Amino acid sequence: QKEVEQNSGPLSVPEGAIASLNCTYSDRVSQSFFWYRQYSGKSPELIMSIYSNGDKEDGRFTAQLNKASQYVSLLIRDSQPSDSATYLCAVEPNQAGTALIFGKGTTLSVSS
Amino acid sequence: GAVVSQHPSRVICKSGTSVKIECRSLDFQATTMFWYRQFPKQSLMLMATSNEGSKATYEQGVEKDKFLINHASLTLSTLTVTSAHPEDSSFYICSARRGMGNTEAFFGQGTRLTVV
Repeated sequence: QKEVEQNSGPLSVPEGAIASLNCTYSDRVSQSFFWYRQYSGKSPELIMSIYSNGDKEDGRFTAQLNKASQYVSLLIRDSQPSDSATYLCAVEPNQAGTALIFGKGTTLSVSS
Repeated sequence: GAVVSQHPSRVICKSGTSVKIECRSLDFQATTMFWYRQFPKQSLMLMATSNEGSKATYEQGVEKDKFLINHASLTLSTLTVTSAHPEDSSFYICSARRGMGNTEAFFGQGTRLTVV
């Protein structure tokens, strides 16, 4: 059973701090990794995708991938109350055209 | 990013009736679409994979006769909840991927179904 694991949280950080969200996956041959943000009552929206080891930055967001450790993370710098949401880690299984495998999500709460 | 449109966003129906939810990929062709269900404060649960021109593939435990999926064109998939019951009340979300690999999934806006 291919799995994606996330700490459910809640992760609480003060406004302006760095929020660090972590995810591990079980399928060693996975090649594509994604972070989605889901606000309460809304559908998920894509924040970042990462395919190679290392860091990928986009504005206040940085995704980090370590395939050897089967670990992917998302850093949110200068956290804002509007970042309060559930963050879903998703992994592409090694089979073309199949659904992404999602973690259960980490709830982030940013206090002002 | 790519746009996936889902309709309706909210529906209330009586027990025993059927409800159809549409999912459209607006700017790309999607040979495969995915249907999820999400209960309050729970994670996404994949219900089925919708394949254009062929039968849908259902996840274990999902009743194919209750959740009818039709993927009649490269831009439209529909989910029909038949003989709805209150326990079917949930948030239904469709998703589509633009290509076959190294591509992100885009989600529709979701449909909040309430069965009374």
